[in-house]
Amino acid sequence: QVQLVESGGGVVQPGGSLRLSCAASGFSFSNYGMHWVRQAPGKGLEWVAFIRYSASNIDYADSVKGRFTISRDNSKNTVSLQMNSLRAEDTAVYYCAKERRDAYSDFDYWGQGTLVTVSS
Amino acid sequence: EVVLTQSPATLSLSPGERATLSCRTSQSVGSSLAWYQQKPGQAPRLLIYDTSNRATGIPARFSGSGSETDFTLTISSLEPEDFAVYYCQQRSHWPPLTFGGGTKVEIK
Repeated sequence: QVQLVESGGGVVQPGGSLRLSCAASGFSFSNYGMHWVRQAPGKGLEWVAFIRYSASNIDYADSVKGRFTISRDNSKNTVSLQMNSLRAEDTAVYYCAKERRDAYSDFDYWGQGTLVTVSS
Repeated sequence: EVVLTQSPATLSLSPGERATLSCRTSQSVGSSLAWYQQKPGQAPRLLIYDTSNRATGIPARFSGSGSETDFTLTISSLEPEDFAVYYCQQRSHWPPLTFGGGTKVEIK
């Protein structure tokens, strides 16, 4: 069965960096685009970043552009999110999510999420 | 950016009742709209994609309808496990992919 397992969350000071990882299994990882979606405490869902199956297309929300970098390793079935210059407003649970099919960016599987807290 | 407005914010109903949730988009998204269910402490779960297609394993009491800018998620008869928050999401015009603010279905 499809599994997505995030790791790397934690507490970081404003201006600091953190790298999240998502390990995928149970599907042909190299055939699907992957996304990161976040949810601030008590708030709704916010899309963060996307990487196409081949890494040929990458997109970011304006709120993270220039600070976050998404990448993937198809040989290891992992997708990562490097987060730099973190701000208090980046505090959220970060989910990795699999796109339903290529170029159809809704999300049929989600990880359990990893909490990032930006605080001094 | 396409803005999604969900209403009502909260829906108070009893088990067995019918739930009707609305999602309006600021511009036409055709049929490229999905619905998710989220329970406390859990990740969202895809219910409906492309307006009216149930995702794998989703019970038939969940149905979606609409087009262009007005969409509806209907739960024909609420089961105890259906009390949760529901989000709509568009994939027609992105980046960014956008979600609605959510509708909480609570027990009356």
